[in-house]
Amino acid sequence: GQQVMQIPQYQHVQEGEDFTTYCNSSTTLSNIQWYKQRPGGHPVFLIQLVKSGEVKKQKRLTFQFGEAKKNSSLHITATQTTDVGTYFCAGAAGGSYIPTFGRGTSLIVHP
Amino acid sequence: NAGVMQNPRHLVRRRGQEARLRCSPMKGHSHVYWYRQLPEEGLKFMVYLQKENIIDESGMPKERFSAEFPKEGPSILRIQQVVRGDSAAYFCASSPVVTEAFFGQGTRLTVV
Repeated sequence: GQQVMQIPQYQHVQEGEDFTTYCNSSTTLSNIQWYKQRPGGHPVFLIQLVKSGEVKKQKRLTFQFGEAKKNSSLHITATQTTDVGTYFCAGAAGGSYIPTFGRGTSLIVHP
Repeated sequence: NAGVMQNPRHLVRRRGQEARLRCSPMKGHSHVYWYRQLPEEGLKFMVYLQKENIIDESGMPKERFSAEFPKEGPSILRIQQVVRGDSAAYFCASSPVVTEAFFGQGTRLTVV
């Protein structure tokens, strides 16, 4: 079955440093979504990418979808303590309605 | 527009009891997904439902677990004869079409 892998599992950064998490799928995806989950909270939708090579920005967050539609990345510039949480990617393979979630990358920002 | 509502937020059950988890999707959303999350792990898909229909239950254990989304009322995830290994956070998500999912705050099930 479809597998979505995310690295790293954990990332410690000093406030102000950049952060990147990577997502790789075993199959070609029709779209990829990114979610953020604060400790003790629930996943909150951030963005969806659909097109090959697509890049989208939300303030300090940059999302990319690979040309082959099998990988994606989330980059945060100049992290802040409010960025703390676990970032999940979720991809749906062609013809599937069910997004498969990666295990997430937990971001810890040290002030 | 209220978000996805899940209740209860916390549920404690003794081994062998039944657990009923409820999820009211956002208004206008006809797609409901249930996910299970263990501590420091990702979200594991369990079941995908539309009104009165189970579309995909490939992620749900064959025994003791069932789900429904009736014409009227919330979606229900039922776990019969709970065991310690069922302890987890159960999240429900809804969407209007097959796009981004809006998650509820989850039900934290503890089996003692």
